[in-house]
Order: sequence, then structure tokens, then C-alpha cells
Amino acid sequence: ILNVEQSPQSLHVQEGDSTNFTCSFPSSNFYALHWYRWETAKSPEALFVMTLNGDEKKKGRISATLNTKEGYSYLYIKGSQPEDSATYLCAFMGNDYKLSFGAGTTVTVRA
Amino acid sequence: EPEVTQTPSHQVTQMGQEVILRCVPISNHLYFYWYRQILGQKVEFLVSFYNNEISEKSEIFDDQFSVERPDGSNFTLKIRSTKLEDSAMYFCASRDGGNYGYTFGSGTRLTVV
Repeated sequence: ILNVEQSPQSLHVQEGDSTNFTCSFPSSNFYALHWYRWETAKSPEALFVMTLNGDEKKKGRISATLNTKEGYSYLYIKGSQPEDSATYLCAFMGNDYKLSFGAGTTVTVRA
Repeated sequence: EPEVTQTPSHQVTQMGQEVILRCVPISNHLYFYWYRQILGQKVEFLVSFYNNEISEKSEIFDDQFSVERPDGSNFTLKIRSTKLEDSAMYFCASRDGGNYGYTFGSGTRLTVV
């Protein structure tokens, strides 16, 4: 069982503030690191698939970085809005193409 | 944008009963998966399916579980004799094989009583 850890488990952010949270994963047999945004009763929405050490990806106000050598990724939300409230899941993909998920970081943006 | 469709969204069943969870993956995808999340736990891998056969399965995926692609569009997960501990959100996903990205369905919440 692969150890994929996310922290913090939850966080509350004031609207307009920026925030970030982490995902740590094994550095061996690495193929990709996935980030998903998941709202209750909806499909997990793919945000990023990151493959290269040093990768930085951006989608609107959300961005992510990847360090495969030390086994961590950061997700950043700039200028949080209420619609950013969701659970953010990271998942490690190894050479078998299966996903091993972290437990998620639940973000609540307060207006 | 193409979607993975799962039905039903919620199913309640009595312990010992058989259930079939249904999924319609994206039509040109080649790899199909079932994952599940027991309440309060991480999302975990159950099984992967390629070229009309299981390519890998987890320890969870015992003889009570089976998957099938009965036609060109549906992908089903059957649990033969449900147990209380099978209660979970079950997600179907598909991947086209040309990249690493998965597309997930919105899940079926299975409650075994």
C-alpha cells in the first residue's frame, strides 16, 4: 500500500485570501501526480496531471507544483472564492497506471 | 465535454443480496476502472479492465466481485452477496491510454442494511 498523505485535512479560508496545501508521495516508480477537485454528489474533476520534476501548472486561480525527488506537490488557490469550496484530492500514479489517493484536503471559503 | 455516467446514484440493498452497479465510460477510452471510498477513508482501487479482461485487481476484489463489459458501451460491477462493509461510494473511471488522465463518474453510493 502506497503512502500518499495530504495536509491539512481541512482548512477554512476567508474570501479573497490565498491558500495552499500539500501532498506527499513515494519518490520511487513515479509516473504522474494527479490533482482532483471533488464536490459532493459530483464527479471528481481533474485539475492537473503532472509528470516532470519541477512542473508547474495553472488553471485560472489554481496552480500546482511538483517535486518528484523529495516526493511532494503543492496546490495553491489565489484569491479564494466561495465556489472553490470542495475537497481536493491528490493521487499518485505509478508504473501500473493505478491511482493511490490521499485522504483529501477539504477547503471551505467563508464569504 | 465527454462524461462517464454511473447509475444508480444511490442504491440501498439488504445484506446478502446481489447488486449491479452500472457505468458508461467515454466511448473511445480503452481502460476502465472501479474505485471505492468507504466513508471516512481514502479512495481505493478495486479493479482495472482492458481488452475485455481484468488487467489487475486489489485484495478487496474477491470472489464476491465481478466486472463485465456486456456490450460496447456498458461496464458493470457486480457484488454477489453484499456485506455491511461493502457500503461505500463506488466510482467508475476510464482512460484513453494516450495519456495519464482519468475521467471519473459521479459515483454510486451503495448502502447495505
